[in-house]
Amino acid sequence: NAGVMQNPRHLVRRRGQEARLRCSPMKGHSHVYWYRQLPEEGLKFMVYLQKENIIDESGMPKERFSAEFPKEGPSILRIQQVVRGDSAAYFCASSLQNEQFFGPGTRLTVL
Amino acid sequence: KNQVEQSPQSLIILEGKNCTLQCNYTVSPFSNLRWYKQDTGRGPVSLTIMTFSENTKSNGRYTATLDADTKQSSLHITASQLSDSASYICVVSAQSGGYNKLIFGAGTRLAVHP
Repeated sequence: NAGVMQNPRHLVRRRGQEARLRCSPMKGHSHVYWYRQLPEEGLKFMVYLQKENIIDESGMPKERFSAEFPKEGPSILRIQQVVRGDSAAYFCASSLQNEQFFGPGTRLTVL
Repeated sequence: KNQVEQSPQSLIILEGKNCTLQCNYTVSPFSNLRWYKQDTGRGPVSLTIMTFSENTKSNGRYTATLDADTKQSSLHITASQLSDSASYICVVSAQSGGYNKLIFGAGTRLAVHP
């Protein structure tokens, strides 16, 4: 039973490009959460999704960021027109009920 | 505002020694409190979880305490090992819109030296 998988593990983008981060939840889990971790800071909640639905996006920046969790395939966190301040580690977690299990993260670097 | 504060920010101890990490929180409505271990370059891994009615929980060499009245928790590590070097994160779960929303502390960065 594989854990939460995220890819890519490292992503480098130039300012203005798009970044797509993928998260495959644990088998049987229908809840996915995205978090962002800036250097020397704690994880900050971004968005909570269930299959095909966004449940809570209160932590998502209003512009350039979007997330989806389609019926088939991984959850995608999409960042358009990246800026240097988007450089961070992005973690995905999945759950069946309350316990969240975390993936290894994607480290995004914006040049 | 829901907040979780941890101290110290960083800590260096010698292998074999014990240490205690602190967590204070202002989260409402409180659901549960967890301690996670995060190795460098990895995602957080749960060590313990405590509900309102529990005041101590052990997992091997890790013992967590919870005082729901003062809204404080601690994580005690006994007989530290080099592999304990990591960030330890206090996470408080708040009931929000029908699900548990996690509020993370910034973590305590522990270095165990030989």
